[in-house]
Formats: sequence, structure tokens, C-alpha cells
Amino acid sequence: SYVVTQPPSVSVAPGQTATITCGGNNIGSKSVHWSQQRPGQAPVVVIYYDRERPSGIPERFSGSNSNSGQTATLTISRVEAGDEADYYCQVWDSSSNQWVFGGGTKLTVL
Amino acid sequence: EVQLLESGGGLVQPGGSLRLSCAASGFSFSSCAMSWVRQAPGKGLEWVSHISGGGGTTYYADSVKGRLTVSRDNSKNTLYLEMHSLRADDTAVYYCAKASGSGNQPFDSWGQGTLVTVSS
Repeated sequence: SYVVTQPPSVSVAPGQTATITCGGNNIGSKSVHWSQQRPGQAPVVVIYYDRERPSGIPERFSGSNSNSGQTATLTISRVEAGDEADYYCQVWDSSSNQWVFGGGTKLTVL
Repeated sequence: EVQLLESGGGLVQPGGSLRLSCAASGFSFSSCAMSWVRQAPGKGLEWVSHISGGGGTTYYADSVKGRLTVSRDNSKNTLYLEMHSLRADDTAVYYCAKASGSGNQPFDSWGQGTLVTVSS
């Protein structure tokens, strides 16, 4: 089955830019969705279809996924203390008809 | 406003059974696929099962095939997860999640979850 890989942790100072990657075989051919999960809360989608932001999600959140690459990226600009959370990438594996989550990345705001 | 309210969690012995429910409101339930996603204590998200808007198509994670069954009653706006032959590694918070369409579209809303603990 398809596997997506995320770094376990990313740390960034307030006001700086955080970059969280999601790697997978030919992931550029898939749509990647990103969710944020704050401690003790349910997940919330922050990016879907690689780069689309749901209503209510700040413009500081952006996504990319190169058609030729093996990595999708979630970028959070001007990081704030409230962005501290676990972030998960998610893709649909059409060969197995299963949703696949990455292992999650804990974003720490220093 | 979309609302998803899970219920039915609790403590169950290994080998036991449980049925989870997810009551939905605030959207056209039959038009949206639904999924169950679980999260073991201190672990990441694990997708469990998917059901299409009409209920005719279901998919499962390999770890639960043959033991968990997803279903829905569109007349009651309710999603279900029948759980049998439960094991300790099924212990998790179980979330229901609403897809943005009737098929394999991404999730756009999640419930708050219900805790299932499998232990003797």
C-alpha cells in the first residue's frame, strides 16, 4: 500500500516560516490534503487539493505539490504561537481504495 | 452549521463488540461520503473506513477488514461502525469525518471523537 512520510518534528521561531514536507512515490500525481490538530482537539483541514485553502484558514497557510517531484509541502508564513500543533498530510491511494495519512509532524513554536 | 456527534464508545473486553454512531446535521447527509478515522493514545491519525453517500460503496483499512463494518442510515442522518473481535490495538479515539462530496473527496468536517478502550 502507498506510504507517505513526514518529519516527526519541525521547530520555528515566531514570525518565521515553517515548512512541513510530505514524501511519497510520485506524490506529484496525487492530490494532497493537510490537516491541523491542536492538542486535545479534532483535526481541521487547512489545505486541500494541494494548495486550496478552506474558508476561514489564514492566507499564511499555503501548499504546493510538484507534478515531477516526490514531495508535497505545507508552508506556514509568519508563524504564531497558535500554530503550534500536529500537522498531517493525507492522500487517496486509488490502487487500494484507501485514504493514507502521513505519520504527522509536530510543529513547535520556539 | 455542520455538526457531527459520535457516540457509543466505552470499555470493552478483548474479543468483544461495540457499535459506534455518528449523528450528522447541518448538511445534505446523503450527498456526502463519510469516513471513520481513529487515533490511538499519543499516536497519529489512522483512516479506518469509507462509505459513499448512497452507502453502496465501502472501503476499509487492511488492519480492520473482516472485523469492522461501516454503514449508514440516510433517513436518520446517522453513520455507524460495527466493531467485532476487538483487540487491544483497536484502542483509540474514533472520529467520523465528512467528505466534501459523495466519493473520495477530502474531509471538510470532523466530529469530536469517541473513545474506545479494549482491555480486560
